[in-house]
Amino acid sequence: DIQLTQSPSSLSASVGDTVTITCRASQDISNYVAWYQHRPGEPPKVLIYAAYTLQSGAPSRFSGGGARTHFTLTISRLQTEDVATYYCQHYNGGPPFAFGPGTKVEI
Amino acid sequence: EVQLVESGGGLVQPGGSLRLSCEASGSSFRNYAMHWLRQAPGKGLEYISGISSDGTITYYANSVKGRFTISRDNSMDTLYLQMTSVRVDDVAVYYCARGDSAWLLYSTFDYWGRGTLVAVSS
Repeated sequence: DIQLTQSPSSLSASVGDTVTITCRASQDISNYVAWYQHRPGEPPKVLIYAAYTLQSGAPSRFSGGGARTHFTLTISRLQTEDVATYYCQHYNGGPPFAFGPGTKVEI
Repeated sequence: EVQLVESGGGLVQPGGSLRLSCEASGSSFRNYAMHWLRQAPGKGLEYISGISSDGTITYYANSVKGRFTISRDNSMDTLYLQMTSVRVDDVAVYYCARGDSAWLLYSTFDYWGRGTLVAVSS
């Protein structure tokens, strides 16, 4: 099965900063990566799919990049409502659809 | 607006059974694959099961295979997860989520419920 790792596991930044989260896959998954935001007490929400395509309704300050085994999620102009844990997910083929361990973003 | 509402969580004894439900509204439930995921306390997201739009194809993660059964009733817009032989390590918030297609392949999860908590204790 494909394994995903994320770095850092947590970060603290200031309002207005730009932060980048990295997700690495154990094998080539083309661009089949999605990114989710999980705020405390709320269900996860998809932000990015196909590595860099912004989900309808997601703020444009979120952007994705990468391909094959190395992917990034960048949050520009960090806002207080961006406090959450962010997960990458691969969907290259059938299940199981693995998630990365998460990156906790604090302000 | 698509809404998914889980129910059926609660306290169950080790070895016991529980049935979770997920009622959908605001979308063509029958056109989409549906999935169950969970988050154990202090842990990340874990994908545990999926079912195709017509209910003919199912998938189970190794952690629940042989103990949990996923099903759906398209006439009732409802997804189910029958949990049997429940173990202490099944403690988690269980989420239902809609897949972005009718099939289990190449799926992201575009709508999620708020989750239902399953606790296991004797």
